[in-house]
Amino acid sequence: EAQVTQNPRYLITVTGKKLTVTCSQNMNHEYMSWYRQDPGLGLRQIYYSMNVEVTDKGDVPEGYKVSRKEKRNFPLILESPSPNQTSLYFCASSLSLAGPYNEQFFGPGTRLTVL
Amino acid sequence: DAKTTQPNSMESNEEEPVHLPCNHSTISGTDYIHWYRQLPSQGPEYVIHGLTSNVNNRMASLAIAEDRKSSTLILHRATLRDAAVYYCILRDATGNQFYFGTGTSLTVIP
Repeated sequence: EAQVTQNPRYLITVTGKKLTVTCSQNMNHEYMSWYRQDPGLGLRQIYYSMNVEVTDKGDVPEGYKVSRKEKRNFPLILESPSPNQTSLYFCASSLSLAGPYNEQFFGPGTRLTVL
Repeated sequence: DAKTTQPNSMESNEEEPVHLPCNHSTISGTDYIHWYRQLPSQGPEYVIHGLTSNVNNRMASLAIAEDRKSSTLILHRATLRDAAVYYCILRDATGNQFYFGTGTSLTVIP
């Protein structure tokens, strides 16, 4: 089944404890992206990747890192999480951004709480 | 990047058509109009997108104004499963970012 998976789905952690949220897609998609969703603010893009080893900042990149060493994986890294990073996080992928192939497929979300 | 304006919420009766409006008065010639929806407790899912002409697919229709400053997502017969938050998004054909905004929360009344 074609899908985007995220792990973990739920995480409670403490301020300053490094964590990684994994994202994997099995559709051979070039484009991958991370979003956070907060009440009243909608979805905001954190980072995106056009292909392996190509990443760029989105709208709210502060406090986050990403890497794209393999096409299928796009982990989101919080080196020193803070309470304002408590949010619902979504990973998404798309075959490309060109022409008719730019439909994004979203993962199920990761709910992160930073105490 | 151009932004969109949508009503915060709308209601519709089941089995009736729903017209979800979106204003994008600062749209540029290379901006595509995308619609996504987010069902409760799920990630967003793609609905439809277009550039200038009206578009139809199995989920919905997209009507784009002639001046492209507004568009309307049309659900032809609302079902309870269509209750979701609908996002209208502009994406520059040359850009790599998506700006979702806060969307319209659609309630479908049985």
